[in-house]
Amino acid sequence: SQELEQSPQSLIVQEGKNLTINCTSSKTLYGLYWYKQKYGEGLIFLMMLQKGGEEKSHEKITAKLDEKKQQSSLHITASQPSHAGIYLCGADKGSNYKLTFGKGTLLTVNP
Amino acid sequence: ETGVTQSPTHLIKTRGQQVTLRCSSQSGHNTVSWYQQALGQGPQFIFQYYREEENGRGNFPPRFSGLQFPNYSSELNVNALELDDSALYLCASSLGPRLSSYEQYFGPGTRLTVT
Repeated sequence: SQELEQSPQSLIVQEGKNLTINCTSSKTLYGLYWYKQKYGEGLIFLMMLQKGGEEKSHEKITAKLDEKKQQSSLHITASQPSHAGIYLCGADKGSNYKLTFGKGTLLTVNP
Repeated sequence: ETGVTQSPTHLIKTRGQQVTLRCSSQSGHNTVSWYQQALGQGPQFIFQYYREEENGRGNFPPRFSGLQFPNYSSELNVNALELDDSALYLCASSLGPRLSSYEQYFGPGTRLTVT
């Protein structure tokens, strides 16, 4: 069974629009990692969140981890075609060496 | 560009055969992790090697094995291939084994098709 739920599974937005992707776990997480993947390629690290309530931003992407450390959101402001790809959340559930991933969210940004 | 390379890019094998996938890490990275990503799924952790020893393993059978060499290269070997082994295989290297301390750099992957 999938231990990390991502929503939505896919998303199509018009360039310039804001969007949010969610990642939910039934258990408390020790760390939450966001990656971006172009179809069939490797993963590009975006951000790591470890503390409850933590929020990080890089360029137009902001990620948050809730206080209970069970849910994270990734928000993109003023989306661009370069933001298109698959966004994956990965969780450290206590091992500190392996990640458990969600199924990913496929983002399409139309010019 | 993460500085991590994998070979081959694509591979087609027949059920029952054996395959070796290769990963070249960044210089100085003593840790490599391997993941299997089936189509439409997130990556699944296979195992991690740290300083040439297996440091942890996911829910994969023993026919999945690995090696890590002192020159920052590593291999994933899969024996007795099954159709369900068809997937993108990703390696990720880092300066150390702890996720909280060291970023993982992923390679572009090897696409394995088993017929």
